[in-house]
Amino acid sequence: GNSVTQMEGPVTLSEEAFLTINCTYTATGYPSLFWYVQYPGEGLQLLLKATKADDKGSNKGFEATYRKETTSFHLEKGSVQVSDSAVYFCALSESSASKIIFGSGTRLSIRP
Amino acid sequence: GAGVSQTPSNKVTEKGKYVELRCDPISGHTALYWYRQSLGQGPEFLIYFQGTGAADDSGLPNDRFFAVRPEGSVSTLKIQRTERGDSAVYLCASSPATGDLYGYTFGSGTRLTVV
Repeated sequence: GNSVTQMEGPVTLSEEAFLTINCTYTATGYPSLFWYVQYPGEGLQLLLKATKADDKGSNKGFEATYRKETTSFHLEKGSVQVSDSAVYFCALSESSASKIIFGSGTRLSIRP
Repeated sequence: GAGVSQTPSNKVTEKGKYVELRCDPISGHTALYWYRQSLGQGPEFLIYFQGTGAADDSGLPNDRFFAVRPEGSVSTLKIQRTERGDSAVYLCASSPATGDLYGYTFGSGTRLTVV
């Protein structure tokens, strides 16, 4: 079945460091891919998305590229801030379905 | 309302009791979803409604779990004979239409603790 595997946390970085959170997926078709973020005390929010191979999603300085050949959708940011501290979830959905399949989440903590 | 509202925000119940969790979606959103998030895990799909009908209930873990959406707006997730393993955060989301994954909006969840 469809699944998402992402880098285990917690990840702790200093402010202005480069961030990568790895994500790979297994799917039978051509899924849409997402990164969701959960800030402390808040609900899940869509961070970025990509709907087909080689698409790049971007938002708030974060980027992820849909790589079909490696079945990956790694999240990157060039210079993290303390306010980026949150739990990040990689996710997918088949085009014909409405449900989203989430990875287990990666907790990110940024030190000032 | 402005967002997806879930009540209560926290619920503590004794093993074996019955609980109801409520979700009030964004006005006009026809699709409504329930997920369960256990500690340290990502959300797991339970059920989704298109209007009043359950279009996919394949994620409900067993027959103790049931959900309704009688008027196509507010939904209630019902859990009978609760067990300690049911302890989790129950998330509700809504979207303008089925398949509109980009319009998905999540509520803040109900934290259920079964003691």
